[in-house]
Amino acid sequence: DARVTQTPRHKVTEMGQEVTMRCQPILGHNTVFWYRQTMMQGLELLAYFRNRAPLDDSGMPKDRFSAEMPDATLATLKIQPSEPRDSAVYFCASGAGTLLLEAEAFFGQGTRLTVV
Amino acid sequence: SQKIEQNSEALNIQEGKTATLTCNYTNYSPAYLQWYRQDPGRGPVFLLLIRENEKEKRKERLKVTFDTTLKQSLFHITASQPADSATYLCALLIYNQGGKLIFGQGTELSVKP
Repeated sequence: DARVTQTPRHKVTEMGQEVTMRCQPILGHNTVFWYRQTMMQGLELLAYFRNRAPLDDSGMPKDRFSAEMPDATLATLKIQPSEPRDSAVYFCASGAGTLLLEAEAFFGQGTRLTVV
Repeated sequence: SQKIEQNSEALNIQEGKTATLTCNYTNYSPAYLQWYRQDPGRGPVFLLLIRENEKEKRKERLKVTFDTTLKQSLFHITASQPADSATYLCALLIYNQGGKLIFGQGTELSVKP
């Protein structure tokens, strides 16, 4: 059954290391979102893409975070260098929406990142 | 500033009662408002969507209202069950920002048997 797949599910890393999180959106979906969830801030939108083009990444700390879609089946979120305050659950979601059609977002299981 | 606000305190109700959750927003003009359910350790799951020109939407035991004048949505679960216990998130789809989907903090619902 169609679902969004995120890897890894859990990641523990040391401060200063590079972290790469991957997302495989549902086949045929043209919109991909990256969110970060913490108890304090809730679900924050970091970046999103439509048809692989970045539409908005204003929610992302530009100096250390980057998001890309090398192809339609893969989205990546990188943090370099990582810091303890980056510890959170990172979710990827995909959708089939356009500007004219309503669309729900399908979420992956998330990557739980701990930076020590 | 732009904000989406949901009841920050957990909602505790008795099985069989109707749960009502609130979502208020400021300085947004959403095209759609969506409600999601999130269980611990899982990603949010879509429940219902309501458009800006719709007042009410129903799906089984769920009902959503949308008042663009008050800038508020109410989410109702009738005949609640312990299995409805979860965190419920509202989300706004903002078209003039390219289809941006922004979430509130969520309200935790606990239904006691």
